[in-house]
Amino acid sequence: QVQLVESGGGVVQPGRSLRLSCVASGFTFNNYDIHWVRQAPGKGLEWVAIISYDGSYKNYADSVKGRFTISRDNSKNTLYLQMNSLRGEDTGVFYCARALTSKYYFDFWGQGTLVTVSS
Amino acid sequence: EIVLTQSPGTLSLSPGERATLSCRASQSVSSSYLAWYQQKPGQAPRLLIYGSSTRATGIPERFSCSGSGTDFSLTINRLEPEDFAVYYCQHYGGSPYSFGQGTKLDIK
Repeated sequence: QVQLVESGGGVVQPGRSLRLSCVASGFTFNNYDIHWVRQAPGKGLEWVAIISYDGSYKNYADSVKGRFTISRDNSKNTLYLQMNSLRGEDTGVFYCARALTSKYYFDFWGQGTLVTVSS
Repeated sequence: EIVLTQSPGTLSLSPGERATLSCRASQSVSSSYLAWYQQKPGQAPRLLIYGSSTRATGIPERFSCSGSGTDFSLTINRLEPEDFAVYYCQHYGGSPYSFGQGTKLDIK
């Protein structure tokens, strides 16, 4: 069955870095664009970043541009999010979500990994 | 950037009733790129409807959408206990892939 499993979350001090991973299984990973979406505690969904199926296109929300880097390794069916210069407002659950190339809607989401930025 | 505003913030209804949730865009959007998601506590969001009116796999017929331009709505007929959740609209026509702030549907 389709699975997206995020990992790498945890407690980190402001200004430090963290790398999240999202491992895919049960589908052809390189047919899908992948997004990161985050959700602050008790708040709504905020789109963070996208990477195209082949890694050639990346884009970011203004709130993370210059601090976060999205990447993927199709040979490992894995997506990454390198997060630098973390701030308190980055705290939340980070979800990876897939979107079939040319369809664009987010048809499956992982269960998320919690990132807490606190001193 | 397209800003999506959902209303009401909270909707309190009883099982068996009909729910109508609104999503208003700050500028006209193509209905082809409007989606709705359902999220239950402690769970990931789940795709309900895309292209403004196409139900995702496994979504019951009691969920439907309508609208165009800047005004869209999600209707849930004959509410079931499992329908009480938070609902988000989203524009996925391009970056940024903005979400509405959500409507919480709770049991009256």
